[in-house]
Amino acid sequence: KAGVTQTPRYLIKTRGQQVTLSCSPISGHRSVSWYQQTPGQGLQFLFEYFSETQRNKGNFPGRFSGRQFSNSRSEMNVSTLELGDSALYLCASSSQGANTGELFFGEGSRLTVL
Amino acid sequence: QKEVEQNSGPLSVPEGAIASLNCTYSDRGSQSFFWYRQYSGKSPELIMFIYSNGDKEDGRFTAQLNKASQYVSLLIRDSQPSDSATYLCAVKKATGTASKLTFGTGTRLQVTL
Repeated sequence: KAGVTQTPRYLIKTRGQQVTLSCSPISGHRSVSWYQQTPGQGLQFLFEYFSETQRNKGNFPGRFSGRQFSNSRSEMNVSTLELGDSALYLCASSSQGANTGELFFGEGSRLTVL
Repeated sequence: QKEVEQNSGPLSVPEGAIASLNCTYSDRGSQSFFWYRQYSGKSPELIMFIYSNGDKEDGRFTAQLNKASQYVSLLIRDSQPSDSATYLCAVKKATGTASKLTFGTGTRLQVTL
């Protein structure tokens, strides 16, 4: 059974640009959550999608957005990039939403903003 | 006050010893508690979860929960060098149909030979 797949794995952008990250969950998983991981702040919740609906949202500015498609694949977008957006962005899928707490994480997309 | 607090470490223990990792949380409405392990350069993976007060054992791992003290811990018996990793405590509070995991910043464990 394939795990959670995130693309791209690494990317470099400059301030002001926008970026789109993609996540394919484990087959059969309908929930996809996104987290930002930085050395100082740890893992911070961005949002969760379940059956194409945003079910929960963290405390990030509106520049961070996401969506989920009918096949459960998800994308997140960050517009007007800032230096502080440099981080590892982790996607996690779950079979029953985050209710069970068992999240299966992808390897992440490491974003560097110059 | 952070919602979930962990000592960043590193916590250094000799091989074969017991490693004790601690976590406190601020929201009394928290319902379930998780320990994830993250090796350097890798993504987190779930190793234990606990819902009720008391202890829960799984192999060399024991999770302990004290809701009155808002405290959760992870004990690793017979620590091995392969246990060297960052251990993330996560807390869940469900609100209706929505829920999210709030993570601590992690404790780095080093098991020395």
